[in-house]
Amino acid sequence: DAGVIQSPRHEVTEMGQEVTLRCKPISGHDYLFWYRQTMMRGLELLIYFNNNVPIDDSGMPEDRFSAKMPNASFSTLKIQPSEPRDSAVYFCASRKGQGANSPLHFGNGTRLTVT
Amino acid sequence: GENVEQHPSTLSVQEGDSAVIKCTYSDSASNYFPWYKQELGKGPQLIIDIRSNVGEKKDQRIAVTLNKTAKHFSLHITETQPEDSAVYFCAAFSGNTPLVFGKGTRLSVIA
Repeated sequence: DAGVIQSPRHEVTEMGQEVTLRCKPISGHDYLFWYRQTMMRGLELLIYFNNNVPIDDSGMPEDRFSAKMPNASFSTLKIQPSEPRDSAVYFCASRKGQGANSPLHFGNGTRLTVT
Repeated sequence: GENVEQHPSTLSVQEGDSAVIKCTYSDSASNYFPWYKQELGKGPQLIIDIRSNVGEKKDQRIAVTLNKTAKHFSLHITETQPEDSAVYFCAAFSGNTPLVFGKGTRLSVIA
């Protein structure tokens, strides 16, 4: 298995532009998570899905952030409009089931820089 | 909800020495405690985990201990090597919510 695949690996954009981050979870995994990592706040959970349905989006910082999961093999995190404070590494992760026997698998992240 | 505190935030050790990272959690219902290692430019990767019915678990040079009464758990790395240098995250899980992560420990192993 190729693991969780995220694209792009790096994104540099100007303030005000729309940014779309993409994720392909591991096949067969029914939970998908979006995290943001910064030096100050560590790993923050933004939103997670179960069977393509958003379960908890309380971590999404503002209405500028939105996430979708149109099918079991694809999810997007969109920021519109982007701001410099959105600069961070964004991780997607997936797991099969919610029990303790279901390790969480992370992608290698998208490093976003908003100038 | 669950809150996980992790210490220290940075740790430097000489190659061959041991490293210990400690975490505390707040939710007594938490029953699963994984540890993740994040190398530069990569996502966190699971390296070891422990469940609440076990007090200690070892995997070669890595061990994790759990004290349910005190609500703390620790990662022990013996005979450290330069390739152990990374950021380590502890996490806690209660079965009803996603993993809650500590803020991470940056371990540097000095050759």
